[in-house]
Amino acid sequence: DTAVSQTPKYLVTQMGNDKSIKCEQNLGHDTMYWYKQDSKKFLKIMFSYNNKELIINETVPNRFSPKSPDKAHLNLHINSLELGDSAVYFCASSHRDSRGYTFGSGTRLTVV
Amino acid sequence: GIQVEQSPPDLILQEGANSTLRCNFSDSVNNLQWFHQNPWGQLINLFYIPSGTKQNGRLSATTVATERYSLLYISSSQTTDSGVYFCAVISTQGGSEKLVFGKGTKLTVNP
Repeated sequence: DTAVSQTPKYLVTQMGNDKSIKCEQNLGHDTMYWYKQDSKKFLKIMFSYNNKELIINETVPNRFSPKSPDKAHLNLHINSLELGDSAVYFCASSHRDSRGYTFGSGTRLTVV
Repeated sequence: GIQVEQSPPDLILQEGANSTLRCNFSDSVNNLQWFHQNPWGQLINLFYIPSGTKQNGRLSATTVATERYSLLYISSSQTTDSGVYFCAVISTQGGSEKLVFGKGTKLTVNP
């Protein structure tokens, strides 16, 4: 199936831990994104990468570090997790010639 | 930056009813998408519609780019239509682009 896939789907962890979320797309898109959806359902961009290069960093704390080993993958590593990091994180991809963005199914992160 | 406003914020319907959701945006755009977030949290792309009208089954969408709004029509609503509907537009600043979302319309369809 052509898609944007992210893992894990659910992540429950304690404050202070470090965790990673992985994202892969097989759509041939050249740009990938991380979005955060807060408890009020508001979706906001965190990062975007184009061909492995960081393009957008929307005033996200340094504890969040995206890594793009190739243009089909964009991972998100979070250090020293805080309660306020609890949210749903969505990966997405697009291409300059494509018709819109495609989103992954989301990772629900709960920090306890 | 560009502002995206959706109305109404909440909508409750009886099965079989029709509805119209509205999206206003503050600047000219060349990309607009409608998404449905189902009760399981999945974001499903409904329409890519920077201008004009498109139809897909019971759903249709119209974007009037010159007047900076888009409408999503749901006809003969079903309980499976419940969820949150998001409008999103491309914002381009400094050569980079990002998808900016409205706050959504939460639709509940009762049997």
